[in-house]
Amino acid sequence: EAGVVQSPRYKIIEKKQPVAFWCNPISGHNTLYWYLQNLGQGPELLIRYENEEAVDDSQLPKDRFSAERLKGVDSTLKIQPAELGDSAVYLCASSPRDGGTTDTQYFGPGTRLTVL
Amino acid sequence: ELKVEQNPLFLSMQEGKNYTIYCNYSTTSDRLYWYRQDPGKSLESLFVLLSNGAVKQEGRLMASLDTKARLSTLHITAAVHDLSATYFCAVDGGNYQLIWGAGTKLIIKP
Repeated sequence: EAGVVQSPRYKIIEKKQPVAFWCNPISGHNTLYWYLQNLGQGPELLIRYENEEAVDDSQLPKDRFSAERLKGVDSTLKIQPAELGDSAVYLCASSPRDGGTTDTQYFGPGTRLTVL
Repeated sequence: ELKVEQNPLFLSMQEGKNYTIYCNYSTTSDRLYWYRQDPGKSLESLFVLLSNGAVKQEGRLMASLDTKARLSTLHITAAVHDLSATYFCAVDGGNYQLIWGAGTKLIIKP
């Protein structure tokens, strides 16, 4: 079974430029998460989707960040314009939410963003 | 607000030794996860602990949960170099939101 796929793996941009990250979750997983991880820290949730609905976007800086999951499968996270402080690893995760008790989140490899 | 604290944040140990990583959390929760992260790689699920007294073991790693003390431990037995990584605990804060600890960077020297 393929894992969570993310692209690109690395991105270097200049500040004020736009950037987009793409995620394809594990097949059949209804729930999709976008996290931000700074060096030496744990992940911080940006947004959670249940199918195509964003059910928790309270931590998403909506002035510059946006996300979509139009068909309830893959998702795109966008930053426009990027700031120096946005440099981090952006992680995508998915979970089945199939009524099981564990509801483990499975993570993709992440996109390392560097803003110059 | 749920807070999760791990300690130590950094641990250097010799192969063959035993050690324990601690994860404390501030409010009631019914699920706790342990993840492993290798440098430059993503997070790999190790254990899910669902109830008081739960114990899970995989190889040289054993995790336990005490919900009354709001404490989970990750015990490493006879450490080997391959276990060098950063270990995170994450607590279900309700509504399927995970609250993450800062991670414990473990270095195991030959």
